[in-house]
Parts: sequence; structure tokens; C-alpha cells
Amino acid sequence: QSALTQPASVSGSPGQSITISCTGTSGDLGVYNYVSWYQHHPGKAPKLIIYDVSDRPSGVSNRFSGSKSGSTASLTISGLEAEDEADYYCSSYTSSTTLPYVFGTGTKVTVL
Amino acid sequence: EVQLVESGGGLIQPGGSLRLSCTASGFTVISHYMTWVRQAPGKGLEWVSGVYSGGNTYYADFVTGRFTISRDNSRNTLYLQMNSLRVEDTAVYYCARVLGLKLFDHWGQGTQVTVSS
Repeated sequence: QSALTQPASVSGSPGQSITISCTGTSGDLGVYNYVSWYQHHPGKAPKLIIYDVSDRPSGVSNRFSGSKSGSTASLTISGLEAEDEADYYCSSYTSSTTLPYVFGTGTKVTVL
Repeated sequence: EVQLVESGGGLIQPGGSLRLSCTASGFTVISHYMTWVRQAPGKGLEWVSGVYSGGNTYYADFVTGRFTISRDNSRNTLYLQMNSLRVEDTAVYYCARVLGLKLFDHWGQGTQVTVSS
């Protein structure tokens, strides 16, 4: 089971929208809708921002939204703000008993 | 408020052992699926091990036979005993609570493990 594939970096200006893709396989994203996204500021605890493809935990800004088509999930950040600059990881439950969870390779979001 | 605090990391020589701790507050460890996730330098997140509320434990292939996950109910603490450490085990180790077996809803800030001679 390999890591999910994400672009290494995405950038945007304040107020713009950006989208991060997350590509998996028929053993993870292709079969399960258990996709979650995490925001990680270095040195801090990762934070859950999207689960079950498109649901947001209480307290997470509605500027974050998620979707999925086939084996590819996407995270969109609308109205980009300086505080959104961080690393973002997708994750999926998998069909593997020895690796039940797989994470994405990570995307560095830079606010220009 | 749910909080997870890891400790026990450090610099260790290859072949050595370390025990990481993750002390929880705001909930009981034994009632949830708890996991360890690591991040090697310049790399992404990687699931390492998990323990279900019922006590069943699971490990990624790359740590099977070397790492052991456990819990201390009286201390509300999760552990990761790491033996036969390798240079490639160098990473920040996070503990995380899993909900519904599908999402990591709370994480600690991590503890650094460096394996080097």
C-alpha cells in the first residue's frame, strides 16, 4: 500500500481559492468514502479539517470543503488567508489489514 | 477538553530501545481506538500502530516484531515500546485518537525520536 499522491506545493494570493488533489487506488480512495484531511502547522499537532470526504468538524471554517471522484479526493480552500499557510495531508481507510490507514504525501500551501 | 501529550523521545543509537508515552485528558484511552503516527524528516505522515478499545493491536509491517503498543488504564496513557531501532525510524511520533475507525480527530504535538550513531 503506497502513500496517496498529492502535489508537493500549491500557492495562492489572499482571497483566492486553491484546490489540492489526493490520488489513491482501488484499495483505498477508490472503494472507501473514509477520506479525511488534516492541516499541519510545523511544530504543532495536526488538525482534522474534513472527514467522510466533505464533512467539517465543529469549529472548522466553511472556507474548507472536500469532494471525491473515483480514486481522487480534493480539498478546496476558499478565500485564502495567511493563517491557511501550512502543510495539508489527506488520509484514507484501506483494505489492508497491516496498513489500515494511508496518508497523502503532503502539500505545502503558501499564501503569497 | 481533549488533550494528548507525548513524551519519551530522544537520541538513541541504532539497535537501542525507547518507550514513548502519550498521556490523555478529557477522555479515557481504553474507550477509543488509539494510534501512533510518525513523520520522518522531509516526509509525510505514516501510520505505525493502533490498539482497539477491546485491546487488539495492529502494526505496520515495517515495525512488526520491534514495536509494541500498550495502554495503562490507571494512568490513562498510551505507550509505544520501540526496540531494535533503526536509522530509518528517525521521525516525530504522534499519538492520535481515532473515531469510527476512519478519522483521526485529536492529535498530540509529537515527540522527536532520532536514531543515530
